[in-house]
Amino acid sequence: SQQGEEDPQALSIQEGENATMNCSYKTSINNLQWYRQNSGRGLVHLILIRSNEREKHSGRLRVTLDTSKKSSSLLITASRAADTASYFCATDASGGSYIPTFGRGTSLIVHP
Amino acid sequence: EAQVTQNPRYLITVTGKKLTVTCSQNMNHEYMSWYRQDPGLGLRQIYYSMNVEVTDKGDVPEGYKVSRKEKRNFPLILESPSPNQTSLYFCASRLQGALERDGYTFGSGTRLTVV
Repeated sequence: SQQGEEDPQALSIQEGENATMNCSYKTSINNLQWYRQNSGRGLVHLILIRSNEREKHSGRLRVTLDTSKKSSSLLITASRAADTASYFCATDASGGSYIPTFGRGTSLIVHP
Repeated sequence: EAQVTQNPRYLITVTGKKLTVTCSQNMNHEYMSWYRQDPGLGLRQIYYSMNVEVTDKGDVPEGYKVSRKEKRNFPLILESPSPNQTSLYFCASRLQGALERDGYTFGSGTRLTVV
């Protein structure tokens, strides 16, 4: 079953703009992860935020987590054409086996 | 280089002909998983393994088998492939000691077509 659901399904922006995508999930979690997938390739882990954290940064990425709303957001600042990819959230459920469940992804297109 | 290696990258086969997709990781990771990715459905987990000789079903295990006889290898076996198993398959691994810090490391994928 898919735990995380990303929103929007697709996002199209110009280079230099910020891109925000959201993830909602259903059950209590240990942590939430964001991944990037370039077309047809394997997913690349971007960032992991633990359930007791509210915000985390990594370069141009900013992730927030609101456990009361069971939601997370990924912000990519000053986007580049190379950021064009699909972005997935995944959650490790509380009390679980640390086998993450993935959402369907947000497809981001950054126009040069 | 630390990586997850899947083979083959592309495979076209006929219905009913047994096949194995290999997966190997060189990072001494305990956790390994197989996913399939289909348009509009995202990634769905087939099987996972938390260590040698420990495997469990994921969300879509029907028609698949796995084994974990050594830590580095986690092959996916399709005993009698059918056209509905045409998909993009990913193997992934994760370090038990870093579960609250790192996510999965993914292979490059195997695109399987069953005709």
